[in-house]
Amino acid sequence: GAVVSQHPSRVICKSGTSVKIECRSLDFQATTMFWYRQFPKKSLMLMATSNEGSKATYEQGVEKDKFLINHASLTLSTLTVTSAHPEDSSFYICSAARQNYGYTFGSGTRLTVV
Amino acid sequence: GQQVMQIPQYQHVQEGEDFTTYCNSSTTLSNIQWYKQRPGGHPVFLIQLVKSGEVKKQKRLTFQFGEAKKNSSLHITATQTTDVGTYFCAAPGYSSASKIIFGSGTRLSIRP
Repeated sequence: GAVVSQHPSRVICKSGTSVKIECRSLDFQATTMFWYRQFPKKSLMLMATSNEGSKATYEQGVEKDKFLINHASLTLSTLTVTSAHPEDSSFYICSAARQNYGYTFGSGTRLTVV
Repeated sequence: GQQVMQIPQYQHVQEGEDFTTYCNSSTTLSNIQWYKQRPGGHPVFLIQLVKSGEVKKQKRLTFQFGEAKKNSSLHITATQTTDVGTYFCAAPGYSSASKIIFGSGTRLSIRP
């Protein structure tokens, strides 16, 4: 199958601190991964496309200096929420595409900034 | 920006009743995908439709892709409590086909 592991599943942090979320493709290589944000009872909003070995592509309205993305290897992408504030509290999900499996999603990270 | 409209937003049915969610795009789509997200969970890929007029079945689920490849539907026959969740359609993005844009989702709840 196509498995994407995301860690941590939940994190609570203080306002002003940074949080790193990891997304790993366990049994396949992913040159491209995607980061989404989901508010309660809402759809998934694409934040950025993570490209292995190059800069991420951010969607309109997403602050690249706020949400740092690094895709240093074919199996790992990280999203760092810098100087987090309560309004950054949300459910963050990564995904990667694999032929015949559609887009496989990580289990998500529920971030709470207090 | 690009939007994939999905209706209804919510659907509450009696167990055993049928359920349908519809997805519409203003532009022709190369393909459309369907995902299910259980409460508290992450989206899980259900199926991808590619051909005009395509119909695919998975047990009690029937997926259709419109002739013009601008709309799609998911129909569940005789719903069960395990069908509870939010169903999303998703389509390739305008600017890049490698990314997908999600519809607004239809949340299905079921009365036992």
